[in-house]
Amino acid sequence: DAGVIQSPRHEVTEMGQEVTLRCKPISGHNSLFWYRQTMMRGLELLIYFNNNVPIDDSGMPEDRFSAKMPNASFSTLKIQPSEPRDSAVYFCASSLYHRGIDPMNTEAFFGQGTRLTVV
Amino acid sequence: AQSVAQPEDQVNVAEGNPLTVKCTYSVSGNPYLFWYVQYPNRGLQFLLKYITGDNLVKGSYGFEAEFNKSQTSFHLKKPSALVSDSALYFCAVRGSPGRRALTFGSGTRLQVQP
Repeated sequence: DAGVIQSPRHEVTEMGQEVTLRCKPISGHNSLFWYRQTMMRGLELLIYFNNNVPIDDSGMPEDRFSAKMPNASFSTLKIQPSEPRDSAVYFCASSLYHRGIDPMNTEAFFGQGTRLTVV
Repeated sequence: AQSVAQPEDQVNVAEGNPLTVKCTYSVSGNPYLFWYVQYPNRGLQFLLKYITGDNLVKGSYGFEAEFNKSQTSFHLKKPSALVSDSALYFCAVRGSPGRRALTFGSGTRLQVQP
């Protein structure tokens, strides 16, 4: 398996532009997570999905951020309009849980991240 | 609520010496604890996890971690450090019922000197 695939790896954009980050989870995984990593705040959970449904989006900074998961193999995180303070590395992760198995003990597998720079 | 504390920003150790990276946690339910490693310009890689059972958990690359319920700690250890172990290490916890997302600590940079 190729693992979690994120694109692009690097994105440089001007303030005010729309940015879309993409994620392909590991095939068969049914939970997907978006995290943001900065020096100041470390790793922060933005949102996660179970079976394509958003479960907890309390970490989404503000209305400029939105995430979708139209199917089990694709998710997007969109920032519109982008601001310099959005500059960070954005990680997507996925995990699998089976019915009858405690979902709390499954590890998440991370993509390589998208480094976003907003100038 | 769930939280993780990694009290050391950086740990320095000489190659061949034992290493310890500290982690303490706080959860409202039973703790599920994880360690991840991040190499430069890479995503996080899973190292090991504690769910239940033996307090000493063995993971990848010779790492192990000791769960201590009374001290609410889950320290990462390795008997003999390698230069290639130099990386950023994150402790994470899942413990609030129904909350599947991991909460991560701030990370500890491990520097192994030759």
